[in-house]
Amino acid sequence: GAGVSQSPSNKVTEKGKDVELRCDPISGHTALYWYRQSLGQGLEFLIYFQGNSAPDKSGLPSDRFSAERTGGSVSTLTIQRTQQEDSAVYLCASSVIAGGYNEQFFGPGTRLTVL
Amino acid sequence: EDKVVQSPLSLVVHEGDTVTLNCSYEVTNFRSLLWYKQEKKAPTFLFMLTSSGIEKKSGRLSSILDKKELFSILNITATQTGDSAIYLCAVQKGGGSQGNLIFGKGTKLSVKP
Repeated sequence: GAGVSQSPSNKVTEKGKDVELRCDPISGHTALYWYRQSLGQGLEFLIYFQGNSAPDKSGLPSDRFSAERTGGSVSTLTIQRTQQEDSAVYLCASSVIAGGYNEQFFGPGTRLTVL
Repeated sequence: EDKVVQSPLSLVVHEGDTVTLNCSYEVTNFRSLLWYKQEKKAPTFLFMLTSSGIEKKSGRLSSILDKKELFSILNITATQTGDSAIYLCAVQKGGGSQGNLIFGKGTKLSVKP
């Protein structure tokens, strides 16, 4: 079956522009996560959705970052007024939280480069 | 502050060697520990560990968790060049933040022919 998909795979933008990153989770997965991986760093948690609501937004680095999820499926991560430090690979994962345990399946990521 | 620390940060071995990767953690409300292999962009799932002392095994890879000493190890025997990757350890918290995972920075493994 289809895995988690993300688009675009690569995005180059100019400082100050807004960008939207898209994530299509595995069908039937109720939980969706966004992570960021900067060069040489581990994965940094950004936000978690259960259905369409976001019980944990603690990882969003600033108010320029926002995310939404509609229909319990597709999610978009929006970065407004991008800065060079936003350059990173943005990874999306989805899961079914069964019995409180959580195996997350990752998408291929979007590599964002802010010039 | 919750943290997950992996060691070593990088490791170079030759084919056929056995390697042990370490992951220690300090996390409130621990629920599970997961290992991932990251070759290009998307990490792929290896193991989920929830109980101490029970070894999980998949081919040449195995892992075990010690919840008293707060660490896990990932062993790879008879390494192959295809094992070259970044190995990520992550801890899942329970309670209100049961969704997200806290990742370590990873161990970069290079297996030379």
